[in-house]
Amino acid sequence: DGGITQSPKYLFRKEGQNVTLSCEQNLNHDAMYWYRQDPGQGLRLIYYSQIVNDFQKGDIAEGYSVSREKKESFPLTVTSAQKNPTAFYLCASMDSALVNSPLHFGNGTRLTVT
Amino acid sequence: AQSVTQLDSQVPVFEEAPVELRCNYSSSVSVYLFWYVQYPNQGLQLLLKYLSGSTLVKGINGFEAEFNKSQTSFHLRKPSVHISDTAEYFCAVTLSGGYNKLIFGAGTRLAVHP
Repeated sequence: DGGITQSPKYLFRKEGQNVTLSCEQNLNHDAMYWYRQDPGQGLRLIYYSQIVNDFQKGDIAEGYSVSREKKESFPLTVTSAQKNPTAFYLCASMDSALVNSPLHFGNGTRLTVT
Repeated sequence: AQSVTQLDSQVPVFEEAPVELRCNYSSSVSVYLFWYVQYPNQGLQLLLKYLSGSTLVKGINGFEAEFNKSQTSFHLRKPSVHISDTAEYFCAVTLSGGYNKLIFGAGTRLAVHP
């Protein structure tokens, strides 16, 4: 079945360490997105990419970095510069060739930094 | 800029009772509106969307929503809920088909009790 795979499901890191969250999709979608979810705040856009080798900052990009070297992969690195990295991170993709096609979400990675 | 307000952070309801989850948006131009559902520790699934046309939109799992332009609302309803409907529900809005500008509300936690 086609879908989005995020790994790992749970991730623990010490403060000051960079950590990379994986997102892979086999839906052949051009567009991919990273959201951060905090309790009571909904989802906030970190970065998005509409085509390979290109990406743009979302609303809360500070302290994060991404790459888009392959169509199916969009890893997110949470750097030590991110002040409050503990959160639930969601990756999504969309078929941008279809008008208003829905976002498809992965099952998320819960990152805990202590 | 557009914004989304979900008026209730939590809604408790008994099984087989009707439920309404409220969503208001602010925008000076036309919008597209969405409802997503999130089960514990999972990603989001699209329930329904309003793009144009009929203001009553039917979605999956027996949910429906009504777009009210004069009241800038997009409330989600279900006539009879099941235990399995217990989840978090997010209302979202965008000005265009570009999901880079999909703005989410803070979410409403629906708790269905036997």
